Amino acid sequence: GDSVTQTEGLVTLTEGLPVMLNCTYQTIYSNPFLFWYVQHLNESPRLLLKSFTDNKRTEHQGFHATLHKSSSSFHLQKSSAQLSDSALYYCALNNYAQGLTFGLGTRVSVFP
Amino acid sequence: NSKVIQTPRYLVKGQGQKAKMRCIPEKGHPVVFWYQQNKNNEFKFLINFQNQEVLQQIDMTEKRFSAECPSNSPCSLEIQSSEAGDSALYLCASSLWGEGSYEQYFGPGTRLTVL
Repeated sequence: GDSVTQTEGLVTLTEGLPVMLNCTYQTIYSNPFLFWYVQHLNESPRLLLKSFTDNKRTEHQGFHATLHKSSSSFHLQKSSAQLSDSALYYCALNNYAQGLTFGLGTRVSVFP
Repeated sequence: NSKVIQTPRYLVKGQGQKAKMRCIPEKGHPVVFWYQQNKNNEFKFLINFQNQEVLQQIDMTEKRFSAECPSNSPCSLEIQSSEAGDSALYLCASSLWGEGSYEQYFGPGTRLTVL
């Protein structure tokens, strides 16, 4: 079945520094849909980015990612982290109207 | 912001009791999904519907879990006989699934505690 592998565990960084979270996936389908969701403490996941177009950069709220089907990757980046970016980040994949396959999540903690 | 409504927000049950939670998808979204997020924050897909029809469900859902999305009523997920291991956050999501929009929007969740 489908699988998603993302940067594991906890990522700590100082406010103002760049952040990059890796995401790679495996699927038998040639046109998967890739997503990044962010989940703040005691909240539900909120869509951050989405893509199903190869080699096209997608941006939202200062974050960006590019789907590369050749390397099965969809890495999340931001040039300057803010304190409010502290949260759980999930890379997810699905095909057609199937349930999402989530990675295990990456906890990001941004310090002053 | 998501417009998916889930009730109740919190649910406490004893082992062996039924636990039922409801979801109203975002208006115009024909596809509804249920997920379980455990205490380790891992997600498990349970079941999804397109309009009133089941599209896909996992084995666990077929045994103790029942779900439906009747026309003109909230969708529901019910655990027939709750077990301690069912304690989790249950998330409902909906999707337009078409017209260039394939993302899922999550409701606030129902946090189930089985004592």
